[in-house]
Amino acid sequence: GENVEQHPSTLSVQEGDSAVIKCTYSDSASNYFPWYKQELGKRPQLIIDIRSNVGEKKDQRIAVTLNKTAKHFSLHITETQPEDSAVYFCAASKSSSGSARQLTFGSGTQLTVLP
Amino acid sequence: GAVVSQHPSWVICKSGTSVKIECRSLDFQATTMFWYRQFPKQSLMLMATSNEGSKATYEQGVEKDKFLINHASLTLSTLTVTSAHPEDSSFYICSAGAQYFGPGTRLLVL
Repeated sequence: GENVEQHPSTLSVQEGDSAVIKCTYSDSASNYFPWYKQELGKRPQLIIDIRSNVGEKKDQRIAVTLNKTAKHFSLHITETQPEDSAVYFCAASKSSSGSARQLTFGSGTQLTVLP
Repeated sequence: GAVVSQHPSWVICKSGTSVKIECRSLDFQATTMFWYRQFPKQSLMLMATSNEGSKATYEQGVEKDKFLINHASLTLSTLTVTSAHPEDSSFYICSAGAQYFGPGTRLLVL
């Protein structure tokens, strides 16, 4: 089955700096890669996703890059703010069109933005 | 947008009792529902996939007789933890897809 590895497990940055979280996956058939932000005791919140036919996607301060050849993808957060502090999870999925996506999650990164 | 609800949000029970968690899709029909378990400071681990009108598919290592899943309608899936023990204490989350997660149920077994 799919295996997703995520690094680092913890990341502290100064407010205004950038944060980068990296993930690798094992199954070359995976074609969808979402990123989630999870605050303590809450549900995961989808913040950005990328499909295998795209190399990069950006949404305001958040961007994701995908390297299919190397089977890795990264989350980039620029101009970090204290409210970005949370646990971030990457995930990978392979799913045929129209069916619900079964996700394999990375181990998570605790991001702390220091004011 | 599509909303998934879970009930209860938290439950405390005695060891040996059974607990039922309900997951509802409020404004859409969910043929498939995924059940995840998350231990403190760990990732979400898929337990099983429930399909409306058919048997659930369990991940390796998850006891199907202990974690009973029923998906009797397109808007309701239930997870019953039978004979719960302290090691079953966890955060249980259902999901109808990558964007649609329930708010989770925190289970504490004493």
